[in-house]
Amino acid sequence: TQLLEQSPQFLSIQEGENLTVYCNSSSVFSSLQWYRQEPGEGPVLLVTVVTGGEVKKLKRLTFQFGDARKDSSLHITAAQPGDTGLYLCAGPLIYNFNKFYFGSGTKLNVKP
Amino acid sequence: DVKVTQSSRYLVKRTGEKVFLECVQDMDHENMFWYRQDPGLGLRLIYFSYDVKMKEKGDIPEGYSVSREKKERFSLILESASTNQTSMYLCASSLSRLGRGTGELFFGEGSRLTVL
Repeated sequence: TQLLEQSPQFLSIQEGENLTVYCNSSSVFSSLQWYRQEPGEGPVLLVTVVTGGEVKKLKRLTFQFGDARKDSSLHITAAQPGDTGLYLCAGPLIYNFNKFYFGSGTKLNVKP
Repeated sequence: DVKVTQSSRYLVKRTGEKVFLECVQDMDHENMFWYRQDPGLGLRLIYFSYDVKMKEKGDIPEGYSVSREKKERFSLILESASTNQTSMYLCASSLSRLGRGTGELFFGEGSRLTVL
């Protein structure tokens, strides 16, 4: 089992719809990062959330770090085909900085 | 613009062959990493290096070795490829050590290896 569980695994939506992707754990994380990986490319960092309860916005993307630092969410408003890709959450445990964990990812397909 | 370059995008090898995957970064980062990515399993760390000539095992080092002779170059070696090593291999570099601070990982485009 993964330390970071992402849901849903797959999401196929129409352009203009809203969606939320979840990243959950039973462990406490020091920080969480979100990466997007487009087909045929390596992952690219979107954001890092550090403080419990923190909310960060990146244009139509809103990222939240849970108060207890065990979970995070990514909300996309009015999805566009350019948002298509694999979304990965990742981060280090709060008491073990030498271990960095990745979730298994959410594959998003936005249809025009 | 920062860049991590992996030498081969696609490779097809036979069981038992020796495979070299090369990775070069131009950001003067001390920290470099090799991951493999498989559907449903996310990214798993194979080996990492925090300095030239230095290497540390990650979570799944069996069947792999690495070489870091120069700061900018980190090579992954499969001494005797097996079919269960068919995967996407991703190289990354970072200014910070994993988990320290909020360091960003910069990834290459990946090398898709098929072992027949």
